[in-house]
Formats: sequence, C-alpha cells, structure tokens
Amino acid sequence: GAVVSQHPSRVICKSGTSVKIECRSLDFQATTMFWYRQFPKQSLMLMATSNEGSKATYEQGVEKDKFLINHASLTLSTLTVTSAHPEDSSFYICSARDPTRLAIDTQYFGPGTRLTVL
Amino acid sequence: DAKTTQPPSMDCAEGRAANLPCNHSTISGNEYVYWYRQIHSQGPQYIIHGLKNNETNEMASLIITEDRKSSTLILPHATLRDTAVYYCIVRVHAAGNKLTFGGGTRVLVKP
Repeated sequence: GAVVSQHPSRVICKSGTSVKIECRSLDFQATTMFWYRQFPKQSLMLMATSNEGSKATYEQGVEKDKFLINHASLTLSTLTVTSAHPEDSSFYICSARDPTRLAIDTQYFGPGTRLTVL
Repeated sequence: DAKTTQPPSMDCAEGRAANLPCNHSTISGNEYVYWYRQIHSQGPQYIIHGLKNNETNEMASLIITEDRKSSTLILPHATLRDTAVYYCIVRVHAAGNKLTFGGGTRVLVKP
C-alpha cells in the first residue's frame, strides 16, 4: 500500500516552455502533498505544501508564479514549471501523506521526475 | 524541528551489519526520530521511526540512547541494494508537518 506515482519520469524541454508534472496517490487519499526539488549531489529541498482544495504554501525563496501547484482532488497534485530555464533543470519529487496511517505519520514519495531544460 | 548531524559517508561490507549514527542533541520531548533512504535517482523511502524505545522492522533496527540525543540505524545484513543516502530526521507528529532533509550519510556497500 501507500504508492505514489509521478508522470513523466523524465522530460526535456526548450527554454521558455512550460512543463507539467503529475503526482498521484494510487491507493490512498492524500489531503496533503509536498513538492521537493533536488539538484545533483544535494539534498532534497521542500518547495511547497499542497492541500486539497486550497492554495499551496510555498517555502521561502520559491516563486509561486513560476511553480504553479494545483491539488484539485485527493489523489492528484500537479506542478507546472512555467517559462522554464536551464537553471530549473532538476529532479522534482512529490510526496503524499496518508491521513489514515496516523501511527506512522510519514510521507510516501514518488519516484521523481528529471527535468532538463535546454 | 531539531537539527541532526550525520557522517557524510561510510562504507560497509556486504553481508555485515551497517551501523549508521545520528546526533540530535537538541531534540525535544515530542520529536520523533525518522530514517529515510534514497537510492540513486529515486524518491526517498521510509525505513523506520521511533520516539524513545528501540524499534525493529523488516528493514532495520533503530537504537535510541536513553537521553535521546543520538540514535543508530542498523541494517543487520547489508546487501549491495542497500547502497543509498540515508537521512536521519527529527520531527513532531502533526498533520501536514514538513520533512527537512539534511545532508544524510552516503552508504556504499561493497562486495
């Protein structure tokens, strides 16, 4: 149980275009999802917390107009990188919290999406 | 959330136990110790967590000192597939609570 998927697994785009990444909880309903970014040889950095039906909460330094997050259902959150530039190339990872597993209160991570902006 | 300190890297031999230390001297009474690992180019994977008592599951054991200022993750019989970055995180149980990842320990299991 507690499987999270991401699509696509990797994407290459041209500078200036927008890219949408999907994050799905496959066997549970996630009221809260998180988006992380990881640059090579660095740790994961939290970008934003996404709550179903409400606006996302962005971490300091993350541009909300550039990284659009939509959490329209209990099983799907999307991250859109708008007007992508080479410096946005990174490994984007989502996670979801299963509210029924309170004893663990952990997050289940997707496999990640590698974005390369040319 | 309390800060953690881990060695940046360590090697261990396949089939032997791997003991991964973590210092969290400023941990609060209501903070849990969580361990995750990240295999190269994958999302992190939950391993184990604990509050005060030692814990064991099918993946690992977690030993927490009595003063809770440090802990050790034990992989009883390391395999090559255990090569990964291991993250020790301390956090409060709360809805929507964030996970803050530090540098972790890069573990290389050698044949």
